[in-house]
Amino acid sequence: GAVVSQHPSWVICKSGTSVKIECRSLDFQATTMFWYRQFPKQSLMLMATSNEGSKATYEQGVEKDKFLINHASLTLSTLTVTSAHPEDSSFYICSARVPSATSGRPGAQYFGPGTRLLVL
Amino acid sequence: DAKTTQPTSMDCAEGRAANLPCNHSTISGNEYVYWYRQIHSQGPQYIIHGLKNNETNEMASLIITEDRKSSTLILPHATLRDTAVYYCIVRANQAGTALIFGKGTTLSVSS
Repeated sequence: GAVVSQHPSWVICKSGTSVKIECRSLDFQATTMFWYRQFPKQSLMLMATSNEGSKATYEQGVEKDKFLINHASLTLSTLTVTSAHPEDSSFYICSARVPSATSGRPGAQYFGPGTRLLVL
Repeated sequence: DAKTTQPTSMDCAEGRAANLPCNHSTISGNEYVYWYRQIHSQGPQYIIHGLKNNETNEMASLIITEDRKSSTLILPHATLRDTAVYYCIVRANQAGTALIFGKGTTLSVSS
């Protein structure tokens, strides 16, 4: 149980275009999902917290108009990188927290496999 | 969230136990200790978490000291596939609170 999927697993796009990444919790409902970014040889950096039915909360230094987050249902959150530039090339990882009412490991946070973005 | 300190890297022979330490001397009473690992180019994988009692599951054991200021993750029989970066994170178990990752320990298992 507690599987999180991401799509696509990798994407190459031209500078100036927009890219949408989907994150789904497959066997549980997640009122809160998280988006991280990871550059080579660095640790994961939290970008934003995605709340179902409300606006996302962005970490300091993350442009909310550039990284659009939509959490329209309890199993789906999307991250859209708008007007992508080469410096946006990175490994984007989503995560969802298992609700306390769910059996198994309540409170644990499960991660998707990541999406590798390359902007040319 | 409380800050954690882990060694940068560790080596372990295949088949031996890997003991990964973590210091979290400023941990608060309501904060849990979580362990995750990240194998190259994959998303982090949940291993185990605990509050104050020792925990064991199919992947590992977590030993938390009585004062809760440090903990040890034990992989009882390390394999080559356990080579990864291991992250020790402390966090209150509250909805909406994200895990904040430090630099972790790079564990290299060799034959």
